[in-house]
Amino acid sequence: GQNIDQPTEMTATEGAIVQINCTYQTSGFNGLFWYQQHAGEAPTFLSYNVLDGLEEKGRFSSFLSRSKGYSYLLLKELQMKDSASYLCAVMQNSGNTPLVFGKGTRLSVIA
Amino acid sequence: GAVVSQHPSRVICKSGTSVKIECRSLDFQATTMFWYRQFPKQSLMLMATSNEGSKATYEQGVEKDKFLINHASLTLSTLTVTSAHPEDSSFYICSARDLSGGDTQYFGPGTRLTVL
Repeated sequence: GQNIDQPTEMTATEGAIVQINCTYQTSGFNGLFWYQQHAGEAPTFLSYNVLDGLEEKGRFSSFLSRSKGYSYLLLKELQMKDSASYLCAVMQNSGNTPLVFGKGTRLSVIA
Repeated sequence: GAVVSQHPSRVICKSGTSVKIECRSLDFQATTMFWYRQFPKQSLMLMATSNEGSKATYEQGVEKDKFLINHASLTLSTLTVTSAHPEDSSFYICSARDLSGGDTQYFGPGTRLTVL
């Protein structure tokens, strides 16, 4: 079967660092995506990992361990505008199969 | 990144009418597009996979006669909600995968449908 787990909600303080974890069990694996979704808006692409290791992109970094079926999204220097849902998604096969999404983690950044 | 557009962004219609939503990939060709629905504070739900030049693939529980999908070209897919009812009110989002750009899947901005 397919299973992607991430925490439902997290709260963090402005200026701090937060790590959002994602574990997956899927029949195939060809990469993992992180998306950000603000309330009432569509998801926007944040990162893509297919090889083990850390990908850094400004204040956001994403890590992947294929052997452990584990990824995390790291957000540094949190800002109030980072309050959003963060979606972990696995691409099982290349080409035109749909991504498998987790249920998302709702992050609240407080002052 | 690649751009996917949707039209309209917001639509209000009467119960029993049909509503067409367009999804376009603006700077890449997409042989496949995906249609999602999202209710408030819930996760994305994949409705169907739209294939250019062939029939769409619907997820279990999604009525293909109610949600008509047409993928007329490599840059356009349409979703028509037929005989809409208030329970069809939702946020409909399309996405497309840029196969020439690392397989990244990009989302359109979504269409908020309200059926009165």
